Amino acid sequence: GQNIDQPTEMTATEGAIVQINCTYQTSGFNGLFWYQQHAGEAPTFLSYNVLDGLEEKGRFSSFLSRSKGYSYLLLKELQMKDSASYLCAVRDSNYQLIWGAGTKLIIKP
Amino acid sequence: IAGITQAPTSQILAAGRRMTLRCTQDMRHNAMYWYRQDLGLGLRLIHYSNTAGTTGKGEVPDGYSVSRANTDDFPLTLASAVPSQTSVYFCASSEALAGGNEQFFGPGTRLTVL
Repeated sequence: GQNIDQPTEMTATEGAIVQINCTYQTSGFNGLFWYQQHAGEAPTFLSYNVLDGLEEKGRFSSFLSRSKGYSYLLLKELQMKDSASYLCAVRDSNYQLIWGAGTKLIIKP
Repeated sequence: IAGITQAPTSQILAAGRRMTLRCTQDMRHNAMYWYRQDLGLGLRLIHYSNTAGTTGKGEVPDGYSVSRANTDDFPLTLASAVPSQTSVYFCASSEALAGGNEQFFGPGTRLTVL
């Protein structure tokens, strides 16, 4: 079966750095996405990785290792508004997105 | 309209009733999707459409149907609602099914089936 694993919840301090991990087992791989979802709202796109390595976009970076079935999202200089759920999703061989259950990130002052 | 709109925002429905959730996008995207999101589970794909006139089944299609008569609209119908269909439903769209095309999401419809 297809599976995406992420930690259920993480806590970090304002101004710090946090890394959210995602491991996947899917039938085929056509890219990995990270989305942010605030409580009661729709998911919004953060990043896309299809090749191994690090993609940096401002305070957010995403890393991919296809051989290990592993990705992480790195958030720097955490702000209170970063409190949200972070969703990892893999596009499989049918070009459908398989989603993890999400990691709820709690930022403390 | 800017982006994707969904209607209604929320609905309480008696079991056995028929219900259509509406979704409209103004970005001229070819691909559209319907997901359900349940607590503790990831988003699960119900149905999708690669382009106007075509539809496909996702991971959890049973009890749902869709149509794609034009580029902009992608309604989701529950023929006879059951309590297990209580969920938050998101409609999404992207330029195409493949590539690095991100999916844009509507605000969601919160559906409760009693």
